[in-house]
Amino acid sequence: RKEVEQDPGPFNVPEGATVAFNCTYSNSASQSFFWYRQDCRKEPKLLMSVYSSGNEDGRFTAQLNRASQYISLLIRDSKLSDSATYLCVVFTGGGNKLTFGTGTQLKVEL
Amino acid sequence: EAQVTQNPRYLITVTGKKLTVTCSQNMNHEYMSWYRQDPGLGLRQIYYSMNVEVTDKGDVPEGYKVSRKEKRNFPLILESPSPNQTSLYFCASRRPGGGSPLHFGNGTRLTVT
Repeated sequence: RKEVEQDPGPFNVPEGATVAFNCTYSNSASQSFFWYRQDCRKEPKLLMSVYSSGNEDGRFTAQLNRASQYISLLIRDSKLSDSATYLCVVFTGGGNKLTFGTGTQLKVEL
Repeated sequence: EAQVTQNPRYLITVTGKKLTVTCSQNMNHEYMSWYRQDPGLGLRQIYYSMNVEVTDKGDVPEGYKVSRKEKRNFPLILESPSPNQTSLYFCASRRPGGGSPLHFGNGTRLTVT
């Protein structure tokens, strides 16, 4: 089983739709979680950290479910500019290691 | 401006010709790391460094070397590049502590023929 798993997609959604991605992780000792956005062949950029109580940043909401070992990203009122690959990143303190999922591709269409 | 700078952006070379990809950060971060990204495999860690003169292997270190003589610089060295090292490479840095996110350089696309 992979340490961090994501559905690769692509998710094709119309503009204005609400879309959600999940990411599962295998190590119950994982401590910190992040969502990154990556545009085609460019560097990943931090979208948001994921806090235990859940957090929101504009149209984006991130949640953590430790019991089921997954994190989620919800995008409301999606825009064409949201088209990108979304990477889930998990930090495990014991090995001081950041592990990346392979990403979920989102395509927002007119 | 806080940034991680990689050079070159694009590099085409031949098998066996030693090359170095430079990485520099101006955020005084202790932690620096190199990743390669290949289709379907995501980002895989090559080497990382917790501080000056402290480096360690990541998941795919074979065929690569690194050094950390100064805090700001973390070059990636390919002593004898091979075609299977053709990839997109990213350098990244962050402050210590699990809650700190990674800051990435803008990538180096390497082709080895």
